[in-house]
Amino acid sequence: EVQLVQSGAEVKKPGESLKISCKGSGYSFTNYWIAWVRQMPGKGLEWMGLIWPGDSNTRYSPSFQGQVTISVDRSTSTAYLQWSTLKASDTAMYYCARPLLQHAGAYYNIWGQGTLVTVSS
Amino acid sequence: DIVMTQSPLSLPVTPGEPASISCRSSQSLLHSDGYNYLDWYLQKPGQSPQLLIYLASDRASGVPDRFSGSGSGTDFTLTISRVEAEDVGVYFCLQATQSPYTFGQGTKLEIK
Repeated sequence: EVQLVQSGAEVKKPGESLKISCKGSGYSFTNYWIAWVRQMPGKGLEWMGLIWPGDSNTRYSPSFQGQVTISVDRSTSTAYLQWSTLKASDTAMYYCARPLLQHAGAYYNIWGQGTLVTVSS
Repeated sequence: DIVMTQSPLSLPVTPGEPASISCRSSQSLLHSDGYNYLDWYLQKPGQSPQLLIYLASDRASGVPDRFSGSGSGTDFTLTISRVEAEDVGVYFCLQATQSPYTFGQGTKLEIK
């Protein structure tokens, strides 16, 4: 079964760092883009960026460039989203997603279950 | 960035009746390869989004045929021929013609 399994919910304080994960299984991890999507409480979906696990080529939305880092570990088929300095405004559900087709950047038919990040003093 | 504007934002529908959601883009989504990179997703309450339609009109595997997508350029429509109770949730369009990809603000479908 093709799936993406994300790490569990996190509660952090402003200024702390965080790295959340998204582990792919059931398919060739290096042959599909992985995207990250943010959903703030009660709000819509925001496309953050994506990474090609084969060579770590990464594209960020300007809204998130410099605010987060997307990376992969090919040896464990895991993608990561990390923050060096969290802010309260980073409180949100974060989803990873994989496209339907190899080399496609969108049409995400496989989604992780989401990781809820809460940043509060 | 390409701005995606959905309407309506709220859509109350009687079961068995049709429903349509519009998604308009600030720039044409028609790529030089001839495709419109426009997806439709449904996010049911408490769940991750699920892909309904891609390339503006191709239905994803397992999606009921009461869902259809149409449009090209800057105007796109998701149509549900006969709404069922299980269709409640928030519908989003996503453009992937130009990076950064951008979502519409979402349309909440509810049953009357």
